[in-house]
Amino acid sequence: EVQLVESGGGLVQPGGSLRLSCTASGFTFKTYSMNWVRLAPGKGLEWISFIDVGTTTIHYADSVRGRFTISRDNAKNSLYLQMNSLTDEDTAVYYCARDEGYGVRYFQYWGQGTLVTVSS
Amino acid sequence: EIVMTQSPATLSVSPGERATLSCRASQSVSSNLAWYLEKPGQAPRLLFYAASARATGVPARFSGSGSGTEFTLTISGLQSEDFAVYYCQQYNNWPLTFGGGTKVEIK
Repeated sequence: EVQLVESGGGLVQPGGSLRLSCTASGFTFKTYSMNWVRLAPGKGLEWISFIDVGTTTIHYADSVRGRFTISRDNAKNSLYLQMNSLTDEDTAVYYCARDEGYGVRYFQYWGQGTLVTVSS
Repeated sequence: EIVMTQSPATLSVSPGERATLSCRASQSVSSNLAWYLEKPGQAPRLLFYAASARATGVPARFSGSGSGTEFTLTISGLQSEDFAVYYCQQYNNWPLTFGGGTKVEIK
């Protein structure tokens, strides 16, 4: 069974930093590209970042480019999101989501999400 | 960036009736479109990919159609568990983009 478990969310002050983690199991992690998607309160889903299997191709949404960094450790079956210079606009539930492979970028498998609250 | 526009924002439907949700892309995404259902406190659930391919376990009362820039999600015979927010997502171009969502509520 595919499982994705996010962690690392919490309350952080504006301008602060946070690192999210996503631990994968039930599939061969090193063969799948991964993504982060967020859901802000009262807003819709927003894709924010993608990383391929070898970390050679990375994409970001404009809203986070330059502030967030996606990375992965295939030996640890883990995906990460380093978030810097956080603002209240970054308050959201953050999900990791697995690609379907072969360049197909919809998401059948999601984690349960981790809540990030940016507030003073 | 491809902008995905969903309409209506809110749809009030009685149980047992049919709901028709629309998703429009600002430029062609071919058939590279997915639909998701989102409920509070739960991860989004994939309903359709490739515009009309039903994901595993999705009931037959759900159907997806369209290509290019116009897409439709139809729910026939709404059941209580179907009242939720629905999103479309294009995966034809970077950045991947979602529509703003349609909330299907009980009339």
